[in-house]
Amino acid sequence: KQEVTQIPAALSVPEGENLVLNCSFTDSAIYNLQWFRQDPGKGLTSLLLIQSSQREQTSGRLNASLDKSSGRSTLYIAASQPGDSATYLCAGSITQGGSEKLVFGKGTKLTVNP
Amino acid sequence: DADVTQTPRNRITKTGKRIMLECSQTKGHDRMYWYRQDPGLGLRLIYYSFDVKDINKGEISDGYSVSRQAQAKFSLSLESAIPNQTALYFCATSDLAGTGYKTDTQYFGPGTRLTVL
Repeated sequence: KQEVTQIPAALSVPEGENLVLNCSFTDSAIYNLQWFRQDPGKGLTSLLLIQSSQREQTSGRLNASLDKSSGRSTLYIAASQPGDSATYLCAGSITQGGSEKLVFGKGTKLTVNP
Repeated sequence: DADVTQTPRNRITKTGKRIMLECSQTKGHDRMYWYRQDPGLGLRLIYYSFDVKDINKGEISDGYSVSRQAQAKFSLSLESAIPNQTALYFCATSDLAGTGYKTDTQYFGPGTRLTVL
């Protein structure tokens, strides 16, 4: 069974700091890895999607990497801002029982202090 | 207007009541999903549908049923609500890009907060 783990569960940093969020998965048979942002009381917003043939994706100050052999993905946030405060979730797309599913980690709650 | 909408946004009900949560999308996607989110447990898949005639159970389908009324509509029902179904419920949609890769980017609605007393 695919399990997705995110460490740390919570992170607090001062504004301007570069930071890395970690995601690990138990089964390397994922066909993509997606990072989401969730603001309190709101839905999820897709940030970056890395297909299995890719190693990283970049969008603005965000960079996500994927290493299937080690079962890890990281989300790098450069020059963090208070507006980056949110919960960040990673999710792996897998084929399970002949169907495609998205398996989520429990998230890392990020607080960027002004 | 939002691409994925959910109604109601908040609902408080009593044990044993029948509840329907509705989801509509304007993205033209074939695939729709229902998840629940609980503190400390993350998001878990309840049901999903890859087209109007396709319904599949997810990780935690017991106590729930769904109906795919049209490509754009996917409703979740709790036939007899119980307190441990108190959670935040999300609908999502996705579509396959015709590139040979499974992009499967999912787009989420704003969520429905359900409380069962």
